[in-house]
Amino acid sequence: GAVVSQHPSWVICKSGTSVKIECRSLDFQATTMFWYRQFPKQSLMLMATSNEGSKATYEQGVEKDKFLINHASLTLSTLTVTSAHPEDSSFYICSATRQGAPPFGSGTRLTVV
Amino acid sequence: DAKTTQPTSMDCAEGRAANLPCNHSTISGNEYVYWYRQIHSQGPQYIIHGLKNNETNEMASLIITEDRKSSTLILPHATLRDTAVYYCIVRAPEGGNLIFGKGTKLSVKP
Repeated sequence: GAVVSQHPSWVICKSGTSVKIECRSLDFQATTMFWYRQFPKQSLMLMATSNEGSKATYEQGVEKDKFLINHASLTLSTLTVTSAHPEDSSFYICSATRQGAPPFGSGTRLTVV
Repeated sequence: DAKTTQPTSMDCAEGRAANLPCNHSTISGNEYVYWYRQIHSQGPQYIIHGLKNNETNEMASLIITEDRKSSTLILPHATLRDTAVYYCIVRAPEGGNLIFGKGTKLSVKP
């Protein structure tokens, strides 16, 4: 079945640095990918929609200059958390559109210290 | 906002059937019902989806009421590994993102 690979699985970074998270569709092409964030004991919240070859669409309240999204190819979208702060610590998950049910990546646990 | 409501939590004995309800009274005629589950610290895993007919696969069965205002996910023989948060989601067929509600935390007990 369709697989979405997300990397890294976890990352610890210092406050003020930037972190890049990759989301790849392994056996299909995804013109659209989605980025979610999940805080402890809460549900997934959509952050942004990533469209291949065009600018991402951000949900209300999500800072586009802080969460940079690049979708330069049909199989790769990246989310860069810039100038990370402890409050950005969360579980980040990507998904991709395809025929049928959208598959999800395994998630990235970001801890900012 | 999520268009579904689910109980916050449920318990089920190992080996017994787990029946997880979901209300989606405002579902549109072309919207599908999707079920995913999330095991702790993992990405959501697709389980099953349907439009109006009941569906069954190797993981579960989905029963959708005739008026489509509610559905039930059935895990026929729950195991400890089925302990997870189960999300019921409605989605239009043309794609778009999945909007997650709070889901049901299913605890399968020995």
